[in-house]
Amino acid sequence: GAGVSQTPSNKVTEKGKYVELRCDPISGHTALYWYRQSLGQGPEFLIYFQGTGAADDSGLPNDRFFAVRPEGSVSTLKIQRTERGDSAVYLCASSRTGTPGETQYFGPGTRLLVL
Amino acid sequence: AQTVTQSQPEMSVQEAETVTLSCTYDTSESDYYLFWYKQPPSRQMILVIRQEAYKQQNATENRFSVNFQKAAKSFSLKISDSQLGDAAMYFCAWARNNDMRFGAGTRLTVKP
Repeated sequence: GAGVSQTPSNKVTEKGKYVELRCDPISGHTALYWYRQSLGQGPEFLIYFQGTGAADDSGLPNDRFFAVRPEGSVSTLKIQRTERGDSAVYLCASSRTGTPGETQYFGPGTRLLVL
Repeated sequence: AQTVTQSQPEMSVQEAETVTLSCTYDTSESDYYLFWYKQPPSRQMILVIRQEAYKQQNATENRFSVNFQKAAKSFSLKISDSQLGDAAMYFCAWARNNDMRFGAGTRLTVKP
C-alpha cells in the first residue's frame, strides 16, 4: 500500500474487555513497530517485529499485551482485560529492512478509550 | 537509560519568520541516530529530518535544518520562513539499533 494503515481509527471499550488493533505496513517492509502514545507524551516503544518474529518485545508493559505478525505483513496488537490506564493512541510504524537508523514510516494510529 | 528532553512545551512563530526548537538527550553511546518528527492533528508522524551521529555536518531539508552538537548532546531544529502548514507537534527522537526514544514534544503555533 501507499502508506501504513491502522484500523480501527478509534475504539471505545469497557474495562475488562478484549481488544485487537490492526496494522497494515507499507508493502515490502520487513520491520514493523508498535508504539503507545499517552496524552501529552511522545510515543513509547512497545514491540518490534522483523518478519514474522518479535525481535524485541521489551516495551510491552505486562502480559495483558500481545502482538502477532503471522505472515510477516499485517500485525495485530491484542490487549486482554483492558484497564482505564490503557487508554492512549497506539501507533504502528514500518521500515524497509530494520537496519539501525532507518526511517520509520508511521500510521495514523488507533485511539483507544477504555471506560 | 537513554532519555530525550524537549524543554519547550509550546512555541509560537510569526508566519515567514524563523523558529528554533530545542532538544537534548542523554546517552553513553557514540553511534546513534537523531530524528525530528512532525505530528499534525491527523496524528500521523511525519519525518522532518534525520541526522547520523558520526556525521559532523548538520542535516538540512529545504526550510528545515538542525544544529547538532554531539559533545553537548544537543539537537535543535530550525524552521526558516515558517508557514501555516508547519503548525503541529514536533518530536525529537534518539535511536540506536531498533530502540527509538522520543521526547515529550513541542507544540508549534504559526501566527498569520
